Amino acid sequence: QKEVEQNSGPLSVPEGAIASLNCTYSDRGSQSFFWYRQYSGKSPELIMSIYSNGDKEDGRFTAQLNKASQYVSLLIRDSQPSDSATYLCAVNPQAGTALIFGKGTTLSVSS
Amino acid sequence: KAGVTQTPRYLIKTRGQQVTLSCSPISGHRSVSWYQQTPGQGLQFLFEYFSETQRNKGNFPGRFSGRQFSNSRSEMNVSTLELGDSALYLCASSTPGAYGYTFGSGTRLTVV
Repeated sequence: QKEVEQNSGPLSVPEGAIASLNCTYSDRGSQSFFWYRQYSGKSPELIMSIYSNGDKEDGRFTAQLNKASQYVSLLIRDSQPSDSATYLCAVNPQAGTALIFGKGTTLSVSS
Repeated sequence: KAGVTQTPRYLIKTRGQQVTLSCSPISGHRSVSWYQQTPGQGLQFLFEYFSETQRNKGNFPGRFSGRQFSNSRSEMNVSTLELGDSALYLCASSTPGAYGYTFGSGTRLTVV
């Protein structure tokens, strides 16, 4: 059974701080990794994708991938109250298979 | 460019009834995936269709079925509804070479 694990939170950070969200996955052969943001009552929205080891930056967001440790993380710099949402980690074990989602980490940014 | 469209947005059904949900993917996307989201279990994969063929299937009972039409629109059907089927049902579309999914707004199903 392929699994994706995330701490459910809530993770609480003050405005302007760095929020660090973590995710581990069980299938060592997984190729593609994604972070989705889901606001309460809304559908998930893709915010980052990463395919190779290392860091990938996009604005205030940085995704980090370590395939040897089977670990993916998302850093949000200068956190804003509008970043308060549930963040879902998703893993694609191989091309042509379905994305497997973690249960999500709830982030709360206080002003 | 229109996004993924799911209808209806909300449904209330009685135990034992059946329901059909509809999903229209982004124009040009040929893959449609369905997920069930509940507070306790998170997003769970139901099935994926690509070019009218079911390509992947999750671990749901046979009461859950789906299909895809030649225009890539997809439907999912749940027969003999149970209280535990109450959930947000999300449809996502994708296209080869772009691994990320785009989700629709979902259908909130309540079984009473």
